Amino acid sequence: AQKVTQAQTEISVVEKEDVTLDCVYETRDTTYYLFWYKQPPSGELVFLIRRNSFDEQNEISGRYSWNFQKSTSSFNFTITASQVVDSAVYFCALSEARAAGNKLTFGGGTRVLVKP
Amino acid sequence: NAGVTQTPKFRILKIGQSMTLQCTQDMNHNYMYWYRQDPGMGLKLIYYSVGAGITDKGEVPNGYNVSRSTTEDFPLRLELAAPSQTSVYFCASSYSKQDRAIRETQYFGPGTRLLVL
Repeated sequence: AQKVTQAQTEISVVEKEDVTLDCVYETRDTTYYLFWYKQPPSGELVFLIRRNSFDEQNEISGRYSWNFQKSTSSFNFTITASQVVDSAVYFCALSEARAAGNKLTFGGGTRVLVKP
Repeated sequence: NAGVTQTPKFRILKIGQSMTLQCTQDMNHNYMYWYRQDPGMGLKLIYYSVGAGITDKGEVPNGYNVSRSTTEDFPLRLELAAPSQTSVYFCASSYSKQDRAIRETQYFGPGTRLLVL
């Protein structure tokens, strides 16, 4: 069964600090996809990144970067030089290729609070 | 494109009442989903559909029903509302190709907040 663990429930930083969000997953499938979504205080879910299990390259998008390590089953997310607008709940999610219906399994989320 | 839209945004139900949560997408996605998010938790899959006329249960289907008569619409029906169904409900959609090993991104609607008293 697939499982996603986000051990950090809440992180508080001061603006311009870097913050790293941990995501550890469990799967028996060799083909799977990992996702990060952002949920700002307004409540909607915003897609950030999608990565498949065969692509272990790290990715950078502006102030966001992702570190995917299959050896430790982790897909961590770093916000560099955080801003107040980064305050949100961030979810990591997993979808196994053999799971029926493209099921997404979500972690419990990490709330990030960026103080000015 | 409006993407995924949901109505209503907020609703209060009394125990035992029924209601339908509406979801529409204009991206011509074949897959659609319903999730619920309880306070402080991640999302859990209720039902999903791989195309018009085809639906299947997710992780937490009890107390809900769905139908998919068109590509665009995927309503969620709550029968005999219970306090345990107090939650935020998200509809999502994705376009999935013939290759079942590929998992495309799911795009979410703004959510419906439901309170059952």
